[in-house]
Order: sequence, then C-alpha cells, then structure tokens
Amino acid sequence: DVKVTQSSRYLVKRTGEKVFLECVQDMDHENMFWYRQDPGLGLRLIYFSYDVKMKEKGDIPEGYSVSREKKERFSLILESASTNQTSMYLCASIDPGTSVDGELFFGEGSRLTVL
Amino acid sequence: AQTVTQSQPEMSVQEAETVTLSCTYDTSESNYYLFWYKQPPSRQMILVIRQEAYKQQNATENRFSVNFQKAAKSFSLKISDSQLGDTAMYFCAFMKHAYRNRDDKIIFGKGTRLHILP
Repeated sequence: DVKVTQSSRYLVKRTGEKVFLECVQDMDHENMFWYRQDPGLGLRLIYFSYDVKMKEKGDIPEGYSVSREKKERFSLILESASTNQTSMYLCASIDPGTSVDGELFFGEGSRLTVL
Repeated sequence: AQTVTQSQPEMSVQEAETVTLSCTYDTSESNYYLFWYKQPPSRQMILVIRQEAYKQQNATENRFSVNFQKAAKSFSLKISDSQLGDTAMYFCAFMKHAYRNRDDKIIFGKGTRLHILP
C-alpha cells in the first residue's frame, strides 16, 4: 500500500515563526501536492511538484514556499507564519505513469495553529 | 474552468438507513473522471469510488454506489445500510482526463460532513 506520511499531526506556532511541514511518500510517486483544508472552503491547492527540484504554484501560493530535494520528500514552508494560516494541511501524491485514473494518496494531515 | 459543487454542507442519518450525497459539476470536456473521497475524523482521506464519464454504467463498490447523470452533470453518492464507520467528510472531485500530464489538476468540492447516528 502507498503510504504518505506527514511528520507532524499537530503544531502550534507563534506569528512570525518559520514553519516547516514535511511529507514523505514511499511509492516513488512523481507528483506531490500540498493542499489546505478549511471548513466551508474544501481543499485548495497551494503548490505541487512533478519532479525533484521542480515546483508549480497552485491556487493559493501566497505566503508559502515548497522544497523538493528528493523524490520522496515534499516540504511546505511558511516563511513567516500568520494567524490566517491556521488550517489543516494535507499532502498527497500520485504517479502519472501508473495512476491514469487519478487516485490521489493522502497523508493524515497536519493541523497548524498560529497564535 | 471546471467547478464542483456540493450543496449539502452537513447531513445526519440513522444507522442502517440509506443516504445520498449530492454533487454537481460544470465542464465542457466530454471525457473525464469523477471521484468520491472519504475523510474520517482524524484519519487520512481515501478514495471511495470513481466513475469514468464515457462509461454509462454507474460505478459500485460494496455499499457505495453512484448515480451518474452526464447530461445533467450530476454525480451523487449513495451509501446503503449506513454504518457508524461511514461518519466522515465526503468530497466530490473532478479530473478532466486520464492523469498523464504534469500539470493536471484534480478539483474538489467543498465537502459534505456526514454523521451516522446510532
């Protein structure tokens, strides 16, 4: 089974802190995604990556950056956390070569609270 | 641009009842995929069922089935004999064709929170 692991389930940070959210997948998937999930807004795509060191902006990239130094790892970075970034963050992966039917594999989520 | 609309933010049903979650979408594509994902409380999101638009037959996975109405752009999920473990957030999702391009996106609705009551 594909496993997508997010390093932190719950984080509490202060305004202005730098925050790293880590995501690792173990199935050699090429594409990885970071979503933000908020009540009433559903899932919104922040960034995605289709290859090592490659990244593309999603629908709401402002205030975020990402890093993909290794194929299995995709990190979301909040350079200076703000209270409006309090949210649930979901990492997902997919392999275009084998997942033509579009099934995304998700991590358990990281719930971030910024005080 | 494609959109996905889930008109029921929250629903509650008694255990063992049948429940239907609604989803409508908008697209000009002729071939595409539709999905229902389930997110149980504090657990990861998983795929429940998928439907390819060119297939007329509605997809079924055990107690889960869909009613796909292509002309009406409707894709509802029916859960039969509902169980307590079906309590979750359910997301309808759309993908415009087989996932093969690096910039393909999967578009999600806003979700329906389903409570199965004992």
